[in-house]
Amino acid sequence: DAGVTQSPTHLIKTRGQHVTLRCSPISGHKSVSWYQQVLGQGPQFIFQYYEKEERGRGNFPDRFSARQFPNYSSELNVNALLLGDSALYLCASSFGWPENTEAFFGQGTRLTVV
Amino acid sequence: AQTVTQSQPEMSVQEAETVTLSCTYDTSESDYYLFWYKQPPSRQMILVIRQEAYKQQNATENRFSVNFQKAAKSFSLKISDSQLGDAAMYFCAYRSAWTGTASKLTFGTGTRLQVTL
Repeated sequence: DAGVTQSPTHLIKTRGQHVTLRCSPISGHKSVSWYQQVLGQGPQFIFQYYEKEERGRGNFPDRFSARQFPNYSSELNVNALLLGDSALYLCASSFGWPENTEAFFGQGTRLTVV
Repeated sequence: AQTVTQSQPEMSVQEAETVTLSCTYDTSESDYYLFWYKQPPSRQMILVIRQEAYKQQNATENRFSVNFQKAAKSFSLKISDSQLGDAAMYFCAYRSAWTGTASKLTFGTGTRLQVTL
């Protein structure tokens, strides 16, 4: 079975542009979470979606938004990109919520804003 | 809010030796989960070991074991018989067991482990 897949793997954008990152969870997993990992730091929680509804949001500005589709895949959107948005964006999927299930991570999308 | 602190930015161990990575956390909750994740250069976060706070017994997974001290809010990872493949960034993480919140992980800043011959 395929693990969590993210696309694209690398991306370069200009300040002020918009970006969409994509995540496909493990088959059968209904929850997707997004994390931002700035160089030299641990990942920071951005969003969790379960059954297409937002279940949690971290301390990120409204420029960050996400959605989950009927097939449980997810998109993370970032508007009006800033240099500080340069980071590795990780997607994690898990089977359920709120029950305790393990999160499996993808390999991330490396976003560089210039 | 919960915080996780890893005070060792870098550690080094010789192959076949044992190393311990430190982690402390702060929380007012009584029920939670603690994790150690490994992030190799491939960037994918891989779960190494997990501890439920209500369990007094320390978790073990083959060469990996933890020393969980709930009162001291300490959660260290011991790697025995270190192998070259253990070289990576190691992150300690916390997750609340409360079901009324998102299943978010709170990570520390990581410890880079080097394994030398």
